Amino acid sequence: GNSVTQMEGPVTLSEEAFLTINCTYTATGYPSLFWYVQYPGEGLQLLLKATKADDKGSNKGFEATYRKETTSFHLEKGSVQVSDSAVYFCALRGRGEYGNKLVFGAGTILRVKS
Amino acid sequence: DTAVSQTPKYLVTQMGNDKSIKCEQNLGHDTMYWYKQDSKKFLKIMFSYNNKELIINETVPNRFSPKSPDKAHLNLHINSLELGDSAVYFCASSHTQGSLYGYTFGSGTRLTVV
Repeated sequence: GNSVTQMEGPVTLSEEAFLTINCTYTATGYPSLFWYVQYPGEGLQLLLKATKADDKGSNKGFEATYRKETTSFHLEKGSVQVSDSAVYFCALRGRGEYGNKLVFGAGTILRVKS
Repeated sequence: DTAVSQTPKYLVTQMGNDKSIKCEQNLGHDTMYWYKQDSKKFLKIMFSYNNKELIINETVPNRFSPKSPDKAHLNLHINSLELGDSAVYFCASSHTQGSLYGYTFGSGTRLTVV
C-alpha cells in the first residue's frame, strides 16, 4: 500500500537557519504530494502541494519539489523564524476513486530558537 | 465562515461513559473523515463517508460509531470510553474525485478519559 516516511524529529534550529525536512514515499501510480503544518493547539493546515513530477509547491517561503526518480518531496525553507515552530506532516493521496485516502507520515516537530 | 467546525474543542470524561463529537463542513465537499492523533502526533484515519455512505472503515473498536445524517455532517459516537481513547480527534473533508485535492481539517477535539 501507499506509505510516507519522513525524518524523525525534533529538529531544533536557530532563527534564520536553513531548514530541510526529508520525505520519501511509496505509492503505485502517480500520487499527489502534500505538506501540512500543525501549529501548537491547532488543526492541520495545508502548506503546499504538488500534483505531478517536477512540480514545485511553495508557500510562506517553504518549497518542495516532486521528485519521481527519487520518490521524494523534501520540505525546505531558506531562513526559519520562531513562528515556524510547529509539526510538519508529509502526505500523499493516490489516484483512483473512493479509496484514495490521504496517507500521512509520522510528522516532524520543528523548534526554532531565537 | 469556518470551513470545518468540530464541537466540543475539549472533552473530559470518565471511563465507561458514552460521548459524541460533532463535525460540520460548509465547503460543499462530498467526503468527510475522522482521524485520531495520538500523543506522539501520529495521525491515523478511522472512518470516511462519501455522501452519507461509509467508504473507509479502518481497524477501529466497534465502540466507535460514525454517523452522517447528510454530506455536510459527520458525527462520532464513542461508547464505553477507555483510558486509551484519550487523544485528539480531527474531522476533515475533501472532494472525492481525483487525488488533486488535499483535505481541510477542523481544529480538533481533545478527548481526555480519566
